[in-house]
Amino acid sequence: AQSVTQPDIHITVSEGASLELRCNYSYGATPYLFWYVQSPGQGLQLLLKYFSGDTLVQGIKGFEAEFKRSQSSFNLRKPSVHWSDAAEYFCAVSSNDYKLSFGAGTTVTVRA
Amino acid sequence: ETGVTQTPRHLVMGMTNKKSLKCEQHLGHNAMYWYKQSAKKPLELMFVYNFKEQTENNSVPSRFSPECPNSSHLFLHLHTLQPEDSALYLCASSQEMGLAGRNEQFFGPGTRLTVL
Repeated sequence: AQSVTQPDIHITVSEGASLELRCNYSYGATPYLFWYVQSPGQGLQLLLKYFSGDTLVQGIKGFEAEFKRSQSSFNLRKPSVHWSDAAEYFCAVSSNDYKLSFGAGTTVTVRA
Repeated sequence: ETGVTQTPRHLVMGMTNKKSLKCEQHLGHNAMYWYKQSAKKPLELMFVYNFKEQTENNSVPSRFSPECPNSSHLFLHLHTLQPEDSALYLCASSQEMGLAGRNEQFFGPGTRLTVL
């Protein structure tokens, strides 16, 4: 069965600094990988996804993620964080069917 | 309205009450999902409907009863809940199930449920 680990429960970053959120997955075949963001009181919004091809994926809001098969990782990055990026971030993996398995999430706090 | 909407946004109920959560999607999708989101736990998939047919019941207690009258609407009927059922309940939709590369799910804002 597939699973996702997000090792960091909470990250605090200064506005303008870079951000990297870690995601490790467990799945036997080629996974489909997603990053979602959840702002307070909101549902989940898709930031980016990886299915195949270029292992560096660009998403919305200036985010990117890199798929590294050798490390079973799909880390999310942003070069310069804005205060509006404060939210909870979820990594998810899917197999060839419809099921998404989510990590427990990483809460990002942005300090001025 | 666009996207996925959920009502009510907040609900407080006693353990003996009966209530329903409603989800509506305006995306023309054919698959709809209920998830439970508890604090500091991964999202738990509860139910899946594809073309109005239930395809997944993830060992959910019978006090939760889903209903999908058409591809645009999904309900979650609640009866004799427990305090540990307090959580954020999220609805999602996708184009349809089982199509690799097309299972991007779009989420509603959720219903914050508190069971007293």
